[in-house]
Amino acid sequence: DQQVKQNSPSLSVQEGRISILNCDYTNSMFDYFLWYKKYPAEGPTFLISISSIKDKNEDGRFTVFLNKSAKHLSLHIVPSQPGDSAVYFCAASVLGYQKVTFGTGTKLQVIP
Amino acid sequence: DTAVSQTPKYLVTQMGNDKSIKCEQNLGHDTMYWYKQDSKKFLKIMFSYNNKELIINETVPNRFSPKSPDKAHLNLHINSLELGDSAVYFCASSQDGYNSPLHFGNGTRLTVT
Repeated sequence: DQQVKQNSPSLSVQEGRISILNCDYTNSMFDYFLWYKKYPAEGPTFLISISSIKDKNEDGRFTVFLNKSAKHLSLHIVPSQPGDSAVYFCAASVLGYQKVTFGTGTKLQVIP
Repeated sequence: DTAVSQTPKYLVTQMGNDKSIKCEQNLGHDTMYWYKQDSKKFLKIMFSYNNKELIINETVPNRFSPKSPDKAHLNLHINSLELGDSAVYFCASSQDGYNSPLHFGNGTRLTVT
């Protein structure tokens, strides 16, 4: 049972434009969400997080939006840069518990 | 200085063999993990240890045995390797294990032939 879903395996965006990566979850107990970025042959690196008490969190060019009623979150990258080309994983957990559940990732390609 | 390092990076072995993957973190974190990424790119937790104590053990076959000699190290030993064990295994650590971000190693690609 896949509780965190990233339905777009890949996304291509022109440099300078906005990249929007989407994530859906099914477990209503999840209340903490994270995005990780992964380059080939490297481990995922933490990008940004949001707890369920917020609906938006911003860090530089990266903004995560959370819609609890729709069980949906999205990561916006503005402006997109070629160095942002990577696989992005959405992840979710229940505050106070160690287990983090990952989505299958979306491969973002930013075209110069 | 590498924060979470795991060795080896690649491991090719035959069915039935026993192998180990080592992991060390120099971040001073209390919690360490093993994750498995299979051919479908699912990244699934296998184990977590907090200060050498096993916290999470996700329905992983008994052939997989983690060992944490101290809180900076978490090794993974696999007995009687099977074809289906082929995957990328990631070690990770976090500050306290409760929603602090994970810091991953670069993975060990295990191929069982």
